Amino acid sequence: QVQVEQSGSEVKKPGASVKVSCQASGYTFTNYYMHWVRQAPGQGLEWMAIINPSRGATSSAQKFRGRLTVTRDTSTSTVFMELSSLRSEDTAIYFCARGSAVATYGALDVWGQGTIVTVSS
Amino acid sequence: DIQLTQSPSFLSASVGDRVTITCRASQGITNYLAWYQQKPGKAPKLLISAASTLQSGVPSRFSGSGSGTEFTLTISSLQPEDFATYYCQQLNAYSTFGQGTRLEIK
Repeated sequence: QVQVEQSGSEVKKPGASVKVSCQASGYTFTNYYMHWVRQAPGQGLEWMAIINPSRGATSSAQKFRGRLTVTRDTSTSTVFMELSSLRSEDTAIYFCARGSAVATYGALDVWGQGTIVTVSS
Repeated sequence: DIQLTQSPSFLSASVGDRVTITCRASQGITNYLAWYQQKPGKAPKLLISAASTLQSGVPSRFSGSGSGTEFTLTISSLQPEDFATYYCQQLNAYSTFGQGTRLEIK
């Protein structure tokens, strides 16, 4: 079945970087966009970025530009999200989610289980 | 950036009630809008895409409508499992989520 599996929880110090992985299975990895969404404790959902796994092209929300890098490894059907210069406000659950087929617009239909990232000194 | 404003932010209702949640976009997004349900400790679940397309397996008591800047999610007869937080999301230009509507049992 279609699923996306994320890496485990992380604890980081302020100023450090974190890299979260998201491995897809059950479908053709390069045919669907992948999104990153985060949720701070007790807060709503915040869209972060999208990657086209076929070409590797990415777009991100303006607030993250300059410290967010999204990449992919087609050999393992894995997408990576790296956030640098971490601060306490980055403490959140980070989700990856499959988007629409490439070159179409569509919603996020398959979600990972979430990765808890805690930023604390 | 396109902003999405959901109303109400909090809704108290009873089993069997009909409820409607509104999502307004700061500029036109045609029908590139989705609705999600999230329960505590879980990932969001896609309910509706393209403003009104019900996802497979989602009960027919859920429906979506709208286009342009105003959209609604309606639950025709609330069931106990529907008490959760609901989010809209636009996918017209990059993407953004509404702030969420928390639906609680009266």
